[in-house]
Amino acid sequence: DTGVSQDPRHKITKRGQNVTFRCDPISEHNRLYWYRQTLGQGPEFLTYFQNEAQLEKSRLLSDRFSAERPKGSFSTLEIQRTEQGDSAMYLCASSSPGTPGITQYFGPGTRLLVL
Amino acid sequence: AQTVTQSQPEMSVQEAETVTLSCTYDTSESDYYLFWYKQPPSRQMILVIRQEAYKQQNATENRFSVNFQKAAKSFSLKISDSQLGDAAMYFCAHDDARQLTFGSGTQLTVLP
Repeated sequence: DTGVSQDPRHKITKRGQNVTFRCDPISEHNRLYWYRQTLGQGPEFLTYFQNEAQLEKSRLLSDRFSAERPKGSFSTLEIQRTEQGDSAMYLCASSSPGTPGITQYFGPGTRLLVL
Repeated sequence: AQTVTQSQPEMSVQEAETVTLSCTYDTSESDYYLFWYKQPPSRQMILVIRQEAYKQQNATENRFSVNFQKAAKSFSLKISDSQLGDAAMYFCAHDDARQLTFGSGTQLTVLP
C-alpha cells in the first residue's frame, strides 16, 4: 500500500491557461474525492466518484472544472481558463466502499498558483 | 447543510502538558461520524481519531481522546502528554457518508 499519490505536487500557471491534475488512489479503494484548500482554511469538498461514476458535485465546481475517473482507478481534475482565485491546494482522498464513517486517506495535494 | 466551527485559530501547549481543541458542529442528520484530522506543515492530512454519533462512549486513541457532547453538538479533542511531533494544524470534520465538512482548523504549537 503506497498511499494516495498526486501529480504534480506544485503547478504555476498564467491566468487563462488550462491545468490538469492527477490522483492515484489506494488500489482497493473504490471511492475517490477531490477537495480544495485555500490558505488558512479547511478543505472544501468539490466532488466524489464511486468507481467511475461521479456521484456528487459541489456548487464550488464551476463549469470551468471537470473531473473524470474513466476506469474507476486514477482520476483527473482539469481547470480550464484558470483565474487567480483558483490558486489553492487541491487534495485528493480515497476510501473503501462508502459506508458512513469510513476513513478517507488523503494525498499530499497539488499546490496551484495562478499568476 | 452541515457546518463545523473551530473557534481557536491558534493554540500552544508546553511539551508533556495537556491541551484541548474545541469544535462545534451543526447537522440535521441523526446518524453521522465526526473526525479529527492532523495536517503537519507541508505534509498530508492524517486521521487522528473518529467518533460515531450513536455511541455515547468517547473515543480514545493512545494520547488522543475526545469529549463528545451530542446534545450540545460539541466535539473537542484532548491531547495528553503533548510531544513536539504533535505540532500541526488540526481539523475537525463531519461525515455524512458523501463528503467531509471541515472546520477552519486550529494551529497547534508545542513549546519545548
